[in-house]
Amino acid sequence: AQSVTQPDIHITVSEGASLELRCNYSYGATPYLFWYVQSPGQGLQLLLKYFSGDTLVQGIKGFEAEFKRSQSSFNLRKPSVHWSDAAEYFCAVGAGAAGNKLTFGGGTRVLVKP
Amino acid sequence: DSGVTQTPKHLITATGQRVTLRCSPRSGDLSVYWYQQSLDQGLQFLIQYYNGEERAKGNILERFSAQQFPDLHSELNLSSLELGDSALYFCASSRTGADTQYFGPGTRLTVL
Repeated sequence: AQSVTQPDIHITVSEGASLELRCNYSYGATPYLFWYVQSPGQGLQLLLKYFSGDTLVQGIKGFEAEFKRSQSSFNLRKPSVHWSDAAEYFCAVGAGAAGNKLTFGGGTRVLVKP
Repeated sequence: DSGVTQTPKHLITATGQRVTLRCSPRSGDLSVYWYQQSLDQGLQFLIQYYNGEERAKGNILERFSAQQFPDLHSELNLSSLELGDSALYFCASSRTGADTQYFGPGTRLTVL
């Protein structure tokens, strides 16, 4: 069974500082990996995805993530955080062509200090 | 705006009642997924439909059912509601049954 762990429940970062959110997954085959962001009272917006190919993927809003198979990780990064990045971030793994239900991590809530 | 629409946005009802949540996928998408987001369980996959047929099932209770209609919109029916069913219910859609899912804004269900 697939699973996703986001070890950090809350992260507080100063505006302009860098941000890294951790994600570890468990899946038997090559996973489809996603990061979604949920702002208060909003739905889930796709930030980026990894299916195959280049292990460093670029997303929207200046985010990037790196797939590391050896560490079963897909960490999300942003070099300089803006106040509007305050939200909850979810990592998810999908089985792709084998059946595409998404399994989500517990989420990391990001607070941005001025 | 993902292009996925969900109605209603909010729903308040009483225990024992039945409700129907509606989802319209993005134009051209054939697959619809339902997820439940609650404080204690997090985001959980409920069920997937592809072009009218059930494709995958997750931790969906027997009191819950869903269907996808010929025009590809989907409905999630929740019956004999309990306090613990209070949650945010998301619909997502994808072009095929195995690619990126785009989420709607959700329906917040409150059971009193």
